[in-house]
Amino acid sequence: EADIYQTPRYLVIGTGKKITLECSQTMGHDKMYWYQQDPGMELHLIHYSYGVNSTEKGDLSSESTVSRIRTEHFPLTLESARPSHTSQYLCASSEYLISQETQYFGPGTRLLVL
Amino acid sequence: TQLLEQSPQFLSIQEGENLTVYCNSSSVFSSLQWYRQEPGEGPVLLVTVVTGGEVKKLKRLTFQFGDARKDSSLHITAAQPGDTGLYLCAGAARAQKLVFGQGTRLTINP
Repeated sequence: EADIYQTPRYLVIGTGKKITLECSQTMGHDKMYWYQQDPGMELHLIHYSYGVNSTEKGDLSSESTVSRIRTEHFPLTLESARPSHTSQYLCASSEYLISQETQYFGPGTRLLVL
Repeated sequence: TQLLEQSPQFLSIQEGENLTVYCNSSSVFSSLQWYRQEPGEGPVLLVTVVTGGEVKKLKRLTFQFGDARKDSSLHITAAQPGDTGLYLCAGAARAQKLVFGQGTRLTINP
């Protein structure tokens, strides 16, 4: 069972508010990811990190930002939330086993911006 | 850019029926993974296939990796309502990020 946690699980917030979605893992994984997913739809990679002080933008452009000051922690911040940011945000970390990458996902944060 | 196409996108069948979903690409992957995601949760890894032609079984689920390592299939025998969910395939190429398909949304009706 993967030890990766996301808080909050659900968030309803007004337009213009600043929010931070938390993600923590206790597996010591260097690689971490943020995906955006509309219900039942495909995953879109928005940010990733290969280690402390390393962050990169993903395939889908996002107004969010991330930081990676500690290995176990990879928070995502929206400076000014808008209704278009309404979605589910999934955090993942990964390990390599015999040259294969396996990603472990958190339970997700479902965000609703009014 | 490596792409994974999953088909069908939506599938709704009766309990007890068999089904197969597919994951296809024009690219070669060093391994391919299948995840299942239930509503309101994150995806959970079901299996990883590595060798071309490899077949893995997980109870009523059978996973196959194509000989050329460009495609994979998931076959479910005697589907049950608990199999309902979004099935995602993901391909890994050496030194590249995992690439996810768009998913197959499966509904098993009692």
